Amino acid sequence: GAGVSQSPRYKVTKRGQDVTLRCDPISSHATLYWYQQALGQGPEFLTYFNYEAQPDKSGLPSDRFSAERPEGSISTLTIQRTEQRDSAMYRCASSLSANTGELFFGEGSRLTVL
Amino acid sequence: AQSVTQLGSHVSVSEGALVLLRCNYSSSVPPYLFWYVQYPNQGLQLLLKYTTGATLVKGINGFEAEFKKSETSFHLTKPSAHMSDAAEYFCAVRKSGGSYIPTFGRGTSLIVHP
Repeated sequence: GAGVSQSPRYKVTKRGQDVTLRCDPISSHATLYWYQQALGQGPEFLTYFNYEAQPDKSGLPSDRFSAERPEGSISTLTIQRTEQRDSAMYRCASSLSANTGELFFGEGSRLTVL
Repeated sequence: AQSVTQLGSHVSVSEGALVLLRCNYSSSVPPYLFWYVQYPNQGLQLLLKYTTGATLVKGINGFEAEFKKSETSFHLTKPSAHMSDAAEYFCAVRKSGGSYIPTFGRGTSLIVHP
C-alpha cells in the first residue's frame, strides 16, 4: 500500500482476553518493526522482521507477546491474557531494508486493558 | 547498547523565535542519528537523518541538526518557529553496522505561542 496501515486504531479489552493487532507495511519494504509506546514516553522496541524472518525479539516483555509475518508482508502482534500494564500505543514501522535506517510509521493501535 | 537522552520534556517558544531541541546519545560505534516528528493522531515521520558525511544536515520544514561527535550531540534547530511546528519530536540513534534497531528518546513536546 501507499503507507503503513495499522488496525484496529483503538482496542478496549478486559483483562485476561487475547488481542491481535495487525500491520500492513509499505509493499516494497523488507523490514518491519513493532514498538510499544507508553504515555509520555518514546517508542520502545519489541521485535522486527526481515521478510518472514524474525532476527530479534528481545524487546518482547514476556512470553504472552508474540509476533509473526508468515508471508513477509502483513504482520500481527498478539498479546495473550492481557494485563492492565499492557495498555499502550503499539506502533508498527517499515523500512526498505534493515540497513537504510529510515522508518515509516503507521498511525498506531491504542490498546486499553480494563 | 545505545541510548538517547532528550533534555526537556516540553519546550515553549514564541512564534518567530529560535527553536532548539536537545539530543545526546551514547553509542559504542559510529551512529546513525534521526529526528522524527509526530503531529496529533498521526504516526511519526522522519524530519532528517545523519549517516555519514556532512555533519550539518537539513530536513523538511526548515529544520536542521548538527552531529557533534565530541559532544555526542545531535541537537535540532529552526531559526524561526511557526505555529504549525507544534508537535512531539523524537530523537533516535542506531548503530551504523550490526544492530538494525533504532532506539528512541522519550520525546520533547514543542509548544509555540502566538
